[in-house]
Amino acid sequence: AQKITQTQPGMFVQEKEAVTLDCTYDTSDQSYGLFWYKQPSSGEMIFLIYQGSYDEQNATEGRYSLNFQKARKSANLVISASQLGDSAMYFCAMSPGANSKLTFGKGITLSVRP
Amino acid sequence: KAGVTQTPRYLIKTRGQQVTLSCSPISGHRSVSWYQQTPGQGLQFLFEYFSETQRNKGNFPGRFSGRQFSNSRSEMNVSTLELGDSALYLCASSPFAGVGVGETQYFGPGTRLLVL
Repeated sequence: AQKITQTQPGMFVQEKEAVTLDCTYDTSDQSYGLFWYKQPSSGEMIFLIYQGSYDEQNATEGRYSLNFQKARKSANLVISASQLGDSAMYFCAMSPGANSKLTFGKGITLSVRP
Repeated sequence: KAGVTQTPRYLIKTRGQQVTLSCSPISGHRSVSWYQQTPGQGLQFLFEYFSETQRNKGNFPGRFSGRQFSNSRSEMNVSTLELGDSALYLCASSPFAGVGVGETQYFGPGTRLLVL
């Protein structure tokens, strides 16, 4: 079974600063995928970034990067140059290889201050 | 390319009724998954359909069912609604089955169901 842990209840960041959202995971699978999604108050889940368990380099997508530390089983999301529109819930999720079932963490609320 | 669409967006039902939610995946995507999101339980996987076949099923009672059509559109049905079924139901699509090998799931806007 897979488990995702997001323990930060809420985060605040000043506009234009960087912020790190923590995610740890637990799985016995050798092949798996890690994902981050953003959920604004409207409810839609917006895909941000993906990291495969065999990827040696950390994934990056624009202002988003994933700090993947396999031995520590952590997959932290780094948002650089925060914008007011980044205020939302952020979910870390994982899926075992060849399986579409996503297991989500509880989420972290990020508030960006002007 | 149009995103995942879900209808209806909002729904109010009473206990004991049944409800059908619809999801149209991104064009060309053949895998559709359903998730339930509640404040208490968070996001939970319901089931996944690929090529009209249920490929995976979460830990939900038999009142929750789904199907997929030949055009990859999917419906989920909840019979004998209970108050606890009030939730945001999210549908996600991906080109193939097997998200963990790199195929990202893209979500729709969700259907908010309120059971009174």
